[in-house]
Amino acid sequence: DAGVIQSPRHEVTEMGQEVTLRCKPISGHNSLFWYRQTMMRGLELLIYFNNNVPIDDSGMPEDRFSAKMPNASFSTLKIQPSEPRDSAVYFCASSLARRNTEAFFGQGTRLTVV
Amino acid sequence: KNEVEQSPQNLTAQEGEFITINCSYSVGISALHWLQQHPGGGIVSLFMLSSGKKKHGRLIATINIQEKHSSLHITASHPRDSAVYICAVRSQGAQKLVFGQGTRLTINP
Repeated sequence: DAGVIQSPRHEVTEMGQEVTLRCKPISGHNSLFWYRQTMMRGLELLIYFNNNVPIDDSGMPEDRFSAKMPNASFSTLKIQPSEPRDSAVYFCASSLARRNTEAFFGQGTRLTVV
Repeated sequence: KNEVEQSPQNLTAQEGEFITINCSYSVGISALHWLQQHPGGGIVSLFMLSSGKKKHGRLIATINIQEKHSSLHITASHPRDSAVYICAVRSQGAQKLVFGQGTRLTINP
């Protein structure tokens, strides 16, 4: 398996524009996590899904952020409208939804909002 | 106070030195993870622990559940070990990971 695949790797956009980040989890994994990493706050969970259903979205900063998982092999994180403070590295991770299983991370998407 | 605290925040050492990075947490956990992140790179899982000790090559991870403490050791450190090492815990009954702030390790030749 190619691992967790995220796209794009880098995104530069202007403030106010819509940004969509994409993630393909490892085949067979039924949990998917979106994390954000900044210098100030480190890694933080935004949202996670089990079997395509959002379980915990308490980390989503505000209504400008939304995430979907239409099927077991694809998820999106959308920011609309984007703001400079959204600049960060966004990681997607997947795992099996049972106790004590490893999470596998994608390479991340570095987002810069100017 | 953060749920997961790492020390030190930054560590610089010479090649060959024995390295220890510490992680303390305040909640009951089902598992603790040590992750490695190279500059500009993705995050790689090194270990997942729920008790005792694990070893992989020059890396050793230990956990003391009673003391809510874990350590990551690197023997015979090498410049390629330079990275940020992140401790993360999974609370009992939860799936999400809570992360420490990371320890930036630099190994000089």
